[in-house]
Amino acid sequence: EPEVTQTPSHQVTQMGQEVILRCVPISNHLYFYWYRQILGQKVEFLVSFYNNEISEKSEIFDDQFSVERPDGSNFTLKIRSTKLEDSAMYFCASREDSYEQYFGPGTRLTVT
Amino acid sequence: AQSVTQLDSQVPVFEEAPVELRCNYSSSVSVYLFWYVQYPNQGLQLLLKYLSGSTLVKGINGFEAEFNKSQTSFHLRKPSVHISDTAEYFCAVCPSGAGSYQLTFGKGTKLSVIP
Repeated sequence: EPEVTQTPSHQVTQMGQEVILRCVPISNHLYFYWYRQILGQKVEFLVSFYNNEISEKSEIFDDQFSVERPDGSNFTLKIRSTKLEDSAMYFCASREDSYEQYFGPGTRLTVT
Repeated sequence: AQSVTQLDSQVPVFEEAPVELRCNYSSSVSVYLFWYVQYPNQGLQLLLKYLSGSTLVKGINGFEAEFNKSQTSFHLRKPSVHISDTAEYFCAVCPSGAGSYQLTFGKGTKLSVIP
């Protein structure tokens, strides 16, 4: 069964460093998402992406964040200058035309 | 804007007993409703969804949920739980109109099945 994959599973970085989280959505899907979950808190929407552009973004998704689909398979989330409060689990999701979003296993980002 | 409340952060239940995980939502627009399950070290997997029609929806692994519009609830139930149901369960909503169908999640309920 096709699935969304994410790499790495765990990323440790120092404050102020740039990180890129990678996702490979399901191949025929058209809509892509990033969510995050700070430890002990809700899963929060960050951004949605369709037709090579951002379709919606939350207040969390400020200028420090960017997304890109550099080729036909990868979907990346970049954080330019990480802060301690960016430590969280980051989930990628994708869907085709239906409402069901398929989630990846997540990347745990730890900012020290 | 939407919000989702899962009042129970942890629910312990004995194997083969019934369980209900509660979910209430708030929204100024019509929504679609979902339950996701997360097993340890895995991603979120869709259990079931309500889009329209019958208010009782059945999902995978013997779970079902009932949409109650007047009470703005979407509680998840299973008549007899198994050890393998131990996981975290998330209720989520998204606006049913045009848009990116971004999901708004509750905080999750950790279900622990006791042998």
